[in-house]
Order: sequence, then C-alpha cells, then structure tokens
Amino acid sequence: EAGVAQSPRYKIIEKRQSVAFWCNPISGHATLYWYQQILGQGPKLLIQFQNNGVVDDSQLPKDRFSAERLKGVDSTLKIQPAKLEDSAVYLCASSSVRKPFNAFFGQGTRLTVV
Amino acid sequence: GQQVMQIPQYQHVQEGEDFTTYCNSSTTLSNIQWYKQRPGGHPVFLIQLVKSGEVKKQKRLTFQFGEAKKNSSLHITATQTTDVGTYFCAGHGTASKLTFGTGTRLQVTL
Repeated sequence: EAGVAQSPRYKIIEKRQSVAFWCNPISGHATLYWYQQILGQGPKLLIQFQNNGVVDDSQLPKDRFSAERLKGVDSTLKIQPAKLEDSAVYLCASSSVRKPFNAFFGQGTRLTVV
Repeated sequence: GQQVMQIPQYQHVQEGEDFTTYCNSSTTLSNIQWYKQRPGGHPVFLIQLVKSGEVKKQKRLTFQFGEAKKNSSLHITATQTTDVGTYFCAGHGTASKLTFGTGTRLQVTL
C-alpha cells in the first residue's frame, strides 16, 4: 500500500513569512497526526484529527499555527508568521481505527526559518 | 498534560553488549508502542503492548509493559551496528492522544 505522502520535503523561509505543509495519509486511515520534531527531541504532537474532527490540539500554538483536514482525507498545516524557533521537522502520520493503532509516518518536511 | 520520559537520553555500547531503555508516563496508558528512528529518517513502528505486565519478543528485542501500565522497557540483547538509531516509546492516554517519549539514542561501535 502507498505510504503517507508529505510535501515539500524541505523549506527555507525568513522569519515572519508564512508556510504551508501538505499531507496525504494512507487510504482509509481515519486518524491523522501532525508532529513537530526539533533536532535531538521526540516528536511533539501538534494536532490529532479523527476523520475531519479535532481530537487534540492542546499543544498547537494557535496564534500562529493552523491545521485543517477537509473531507477527512488530506490535511494542511500552516504557520503564519514563522519564528526562528519553528525550525524543525514537521511529521505527518496516520493510523487506522483498527488494532494495533500504530502510526505510519511520512518522510517529513524540514523547515528552516532564518 | 500527559508526559512520557525516557532514560537514558543517550547510550554508547560496543557491538555485542546489551542495551536497555526505560519509558515512564505521568498517566496510565491504554497501550504502549515502540518506534525506531534511524538518523535522518522518520519513526518506524516496532511493536505494541496492551496488557498489564505484557512481555513480547522480536528476535533480540524484548519489550515489557509495566503492571500499572505507566512504564515500559525495551531490551536489546547482543547489539549490532544495525541497531543504531533513536528508540521512542509512545502511548495512548486519555482522549486517544498519542504521546511520544523523549527518546533514547543508541550508538553501537565495533
């Protein structure tokens, strides 16, 4: 089966600019996650969707980050305006609602804010 | 909020030595999952444990889920250079949120 697709793979922007990331989960996976992984740290959950509803977004900096999952399939994550500390790899993952519920990750988008 | 810590942060072993990483959650988990992330790669699922006290083996890897379902461990017997990477535990707590641990980076040298 096809894996989780993310684009772009790399992005360099200046601070205060905006950026958007796109994710296409594995077909049929109801749950979609966006994680932020800063170098040397574990993935930090930004937002978790079940179909097109939000399960958790408690760690999403809502003043600058937004995410949507229209039609319960593809998702976009946007940062506006970006800060230097947003430099990280943004990982999208998806999982089925059937056991074992494990997350399948995309290759990630490496964002550098200068 | 739910926090998942792992120790050690980093371990360097010689090939053939054993390795263990420990995972502790601030809250009870419905399950614990383990992932491996190779340098420059993305996390890849290894295994899931669901029952209190459960032990599972995958070749040289042994996974345990604590009785209170708040801690877990991963033990690798006789490490090989192919085991290099960062090992993360992750668990579903309340509201089905999947929280990752802080990770343990394993370096193996000949």
